[in-house]
Amino acid sequence: NAGVTQTPKFQVLKTGQSMTLQCAQDMNHEYMSWYRQDPGMGLRLIHYSVGAGITDQGEVPNGYNVSRSTTEDFPLRLLSAAPSQTSVYFCASTFEGGTYNEQFFGPGTRLTVL
Amino acid sequence: LAKTTQPISMDSYEGQEVNITCSHNNIATNDYITWYQQFPSQGPRFIIQGYKTKVTNEVASLFIPADRKSSTLSLPRVSLSDTAVYYCLVGQGSNDYKLSFGAGTTVTVRA
Repeated sequence: NAGVTQTPKFQVLKTGQSMTLQCAQDMNHEYMSWYRQDPGMGLRLIHYSVGAGITDQGEVPNGYNVSRSTTEDFPLRLLSAAPSQTSVYFCASTFEGGTYNEQFFGPGTRLTVL
Repeated sequence: LAKTTQPISMDSYEGQEVNITCSHNNIATNDYITWYQQFPSQGPRFIIQGYKTKVTNEVASLFIPADRKSSTLSLPRVSLSDTAVYYCLVGQGSNDYKLSFGAGTTVTVRA
């Protein structure tokens, strides 16, 4: 199993440009999440999904859109990039087993907005 | 959602035991406690999860007192490779996917 994969690993955008960060998992997990991590800080939740066709906002959703058309894929779209969106973005999928659950994280995408 | 408080940083030496305490005074009856580890330039990795008393796996132990208002992650005999940020999360076991992580505890292990 590849686990959680993210592309690209690095990206530089100009202010106002749009792009999509890709995330895929092959573990058949229903729950997936997107986080951003700024230097020296923890991970802040952007959006999450509890299954195909179902998404919801997290702590910092402004400027980002998500969709979940399949169980495997959960892309994150930046509508109009701003320097404040410079960050490292992590995607995660969650194994949910009732009394036990575990998040599996991708390697991250490092985004710089000029 | 239960708010957690952890020390910002801790220093240790190789071979010592490291104990990181997380306070979560308003933990709910259905909440579980989960710890993650993050190395630089990597995503977090699950370490351990528990509800009460003590949980142990091949990596760490988690101690939870009866009132569950705090928990302690114990890393036995640390090595340089245990230098990382450690995060404590508190939430319903099935809801971790919608929790933000706090700043965590930066553990630095020295030779």
